[in-house]
Amino acid sequence: QVTLKESGPVLVKPTETLTLTCTVSGFSLSNARMGVSWIRQPPGKALEWLAHIFSNDEKSYSTSLKSRLTISEDTSKSQVVLTLTNMDPVDTATYYCARIGDYGDYVLDYWGQGTLVTVSS
Amino acid sequence: EIVLTQSPATLSLSPGERATLSCRASQSVSSFLAWYQQKPGQAPRLLIYNASNRAPGIPARFTGSGSGTDFTLTISILEPEDFALYFCQHRSYWPPAVTFGQGTRLDIK
Repeated sequence: QVTLKESGPVLVKPTETLTLTCTVSGFSLSNARMGVSWIRQPPGKALEWLAHIFSNDEKSYSTSLKSRLTISEDTSKSQVVLTLTNMDPVDTATYYCARIGDYGDYVLDYWGQGTLVTVSS
Repeated sequence: EIVLTQSPATLSLSPGERATLSCRASQSVSSFLAWYQQKPGQAPRLLIYNASNRAPGIPARFTGSGSGTDFTLTISILEPEDFALYFCQHRSYWPPAVTFGQGTRLDIK
């Protein structure tokens, strides 16, 4: 059974760095065909893709947020970590991790439940 | 960068009716388009990939069609559980990126 679970702070202050962890089970991060994406959704708004990573260390970032984002993985812990620097209230959103699985084309076949992060002083 | 435009923004229908949701790409994306359903307080769920392939466990009343720039998600006979938010998604390989449409909200009339 494939599962993904996000963890991290629920509240961060402006200018701080957000660190989120996605812990996966039911598949291996070492599988060359599979990757993990991070996506966010501000309250009442659309989905926004942030970044993804594959086992060959291929990483890609949203053009608009590239300077603030870092994605990494620890295959031994089955975890993918996303950091977002210089947080601002506009970064308040539910952050999801999702698997890029068997269908290729960066199709997201399994999603975590999401974690709501609020940016406020 | 490819932009996906979904229409309508909101669609109000009754159970038993047919729903037609549109996703238009700013340039051709071939058949590289997926559809997701999101219910309140839940994560999105994959419905359709490669424009017309249903994901495992997705009921046959959901049909995806289209290629190039114009895509459609059709729900043949609306069930109460189908009233939700629907997003389309595309990928580009260079630069590697994922784009979502802004969503269509399907409401009970």
